[in-house]
Amino acid sequence: GQQLNQSPQSMFIQEGEDVSMNCTSSSIFNTWLWYKQDPGEGPVLLIALYKAGELTSNGRLTAQFGITRKDSFLNISASIPSDVGIYFCAGQEGGSQGNLIFGKGTKLSVKP
Amino acid sequence: NAGVTQTPKFRVLKTGQSMTLLCAQDMNHEYMYWYRQDPGMGLRLIHYSVGEGTTAKGEVPDGYNVSRLKKQNFLLGLESAAPSQTSVYFCASSSRYRGLGYTFGSGTRLTVV
Repeated sequence: GQQLNQSPQSMFIQEGEDVSMNCTSSSIFNTWLWYKQDPGEGPVLLIALYKAGELTSNGRLTAQFGITRKDSFLNISASIPSDVGIYFCAGQEGGSQGNLIFGKGTKLSVKP
Repeated sequence: NAGVTQTPKFRVLKTGQSMTLLCAQDMNHEYMYWYRQDPGMGLRLIHYSVGEGTTAKGEVPDGYNVSRLKKQNFLLGLESAAPSQTSVYFCASSSRYRGLGYTFGSGTRLTVV
């Protein structure tokens, strides 16, 4: 089935650094979502994107819906220890009728 | 403000035993989903339901059965557990407008020995 390529798989950064991660797909998506999973918890929705080129922020997080509609990017500015976790991208296949497809996640570790 | 509740949170099974995982949502969502999460594999869809009394197979359905007898509940059953089913299981729900996102439970950690 359809898969999303999410990179990098993991990141080890220093507190205060900026973080970038991305997802790419071989097909066009109409919706891109970004989730964060804290250790021992379920994923929680961070940002939703619905239009090509859309740039949306949530605090220190900024996500963009790629203009080709085949990719999306998430940036975290000035990372802090509580940013630790796994970040998942998700896209909706099949227009508005499809299930979400999830990337394999980017595991973020922050060194104080 | 419960959202999606999963029970139990932890369970250890012996190979061949059976069990049922329960998921309950209080958001009146039409759709519900069961995922498993394994290291490096991300979230893989097991089964899902688009309404009471209906279920459908996802990416990795073998060895699992599901039932949705009530709109708010979605049960995941393992008839004969195998070590390969050791995983963390997540339930999620959504409205019919799936692009608005899914709400996840906090997971069930299952170990099969």
